[in-house]
Amino acid sequence: GAVVSQHPSWVICKSGTSVKIECRSLDFQATTMFWYRQFPKQSLMLMATSNEGSKATYEQGVEKDKFLINHASLTLSTLTVTSAHPEDSSFYICSARDLGGSQYEQYFGPGTRLTVT
Amino acid sequence: RKEVEQDPGPFNVPEGATVAFNCTYSNSASQSFFWYRQDCRKEPKLLMSVYSSGNEDGRFTAQLNRASQYISLLIRDSKLSDSATYLCVVTSGTNAGKSTFGDGTTLTVKP
Repeated sequence: GAVVSQHPSWVICKSGTSVKIECRSLDFQATTMFWYRQFPKQSLMLMATSNEGSKATYEQGVEKDKFLINHASLTLSTLTVTSAHPEDSSFYICSARDLGGSQYEQYFGPGTRLTVT
Repeated sequence: RKEVEQDPGPFNVPEGATVAFNCTYSNSASQSFFWYRQDCRKEPKLLMSVYSSGNEDGRFTAQLNRASQYISLLIRDSKLSDSATYLCVVTSGTNAGKSTFGDGTTLTVKP
């Protein structure tokens, strides 16, 4: 099956610093990747849709200047949390769709657990 | 009203029980439907797609009713390993196929 990797799997950073998270599709190409955030005991909330070669589309309420998304190739999207604060601590998960797939199935990365102290 | 609503749960059932989860969606333009399973502190994993004709995979049966905008998942002969949170996911045909997740229903299967 399609495999999506994320790096790092967990990160602890100090308030005010920036953190970059990578999302890679390992065995397929993805023009579209999605970034989600999940707080404890809550469902996944879509933050933005990352499109290869163009600007990301952000969901309402998500600050595009704080959560920078770059999708430079068909297999890599990055999310940078800038000037992180404790309230940004969460589980960040990316997903990708296989260009050759059907029915809009999404394959999820293993997630990155961010803790801001 | 949420775009995708699921049974609030939690469901606590004995091994071998049959359990059914329900999900409703509000966007009539939705095109694809899925059930995902998420274990604690892990990423969601696709359990099965849902079709109008219904589909079955072993002990799992999924059903879609487009007229009622309703999706269901039936688990027969539940196992301890079925304990997880089950997420109903609805994908629109527009906006790059954006997916909306339900809040999930937690299932605990006990010996």
